[in-house]
Amino acid sequence: DTGVSQDPRHKITKRGQNVTFRCDPISEHNRLYWYRQTLGQGPEFLTYFQNEAQLEKSRLLSDRFSAERPKGSFSTLEIQRTEQGDSAMYLCASSINRGFGLLETQYFGPGTRLLVL
Amino acid sequence: AQRVTQPEKLLSVFKGAPVELKCNYSYSGSPELFWYVQYSRQRLQLLLRHISRESIKGFTADLNKGETSFHLKKPFAQEEDSAMYYCALSARPHAGGTSYGKLTFGQGTILTVHP
Repeated sequence: DTGVSQDPRHKITKRGQNVTFRCDPISEHNRLYWYRQTLGQGPEFLTYFQNEAQLEKSRLLSDRFSAERPKGSFSTLEIQRTEQGDSAMYLCASSINRGFGLLETQYFGPGTRLLVL
Repeated sequence: AQRVTQPEKLLSVFKGAPVELKCNYSYSGSPELFWYVQYSRQRLQLLLRHISRESIKGFTADLNKGETSFHLKKPFAQEEDSAMYYCALSARPHAGGTSYGKLTFGQGTILTVHP
């Protein structure tokens, strides 16, 4: 399967615990995006990388959230000291950015569903 | 700021009937508009984008800059069209800019096509 993969698919944790999610983009995709989706809402942008550089972070991304893409391939999203409000579906997407002029299609992963008790 | 509004959370039609899913946007710059679809137990996937001017699975969408709308239409709905549909907006790339590509989504419309 050459699609975007995410691990784990489901995570249940207790409030105050740290969690880490992983996203493996489509091979050779240089852009990687993280989105969060709560019940009844569309996905909301969190952050994105071009290769290993984190180019933008949403105001939604509090100090408890950190994302990395150390080698420009897979990415991790860590949430420290989880709160019940962090319960959501965390989506990853990847695309190829070839420069100006055309936005490439973003391909989404299946998501990681987080439940904070 | 970018904003996308889908006024209908639920839309039900019968097979063979025309369907229109509404999308309005707010953005001061030059936008690119997309429709994404999520079928049951599947991941989010691109249905169409305004710049391509394509018809995908019988769906079309026209960007109306005057009304800031990007409604999705299909003349004859099929049962397999039942899904969640999201309208999304992104800033169009421009020289010197890096803040493009991120998508702003609407709340989504659940389309149900009855037999």
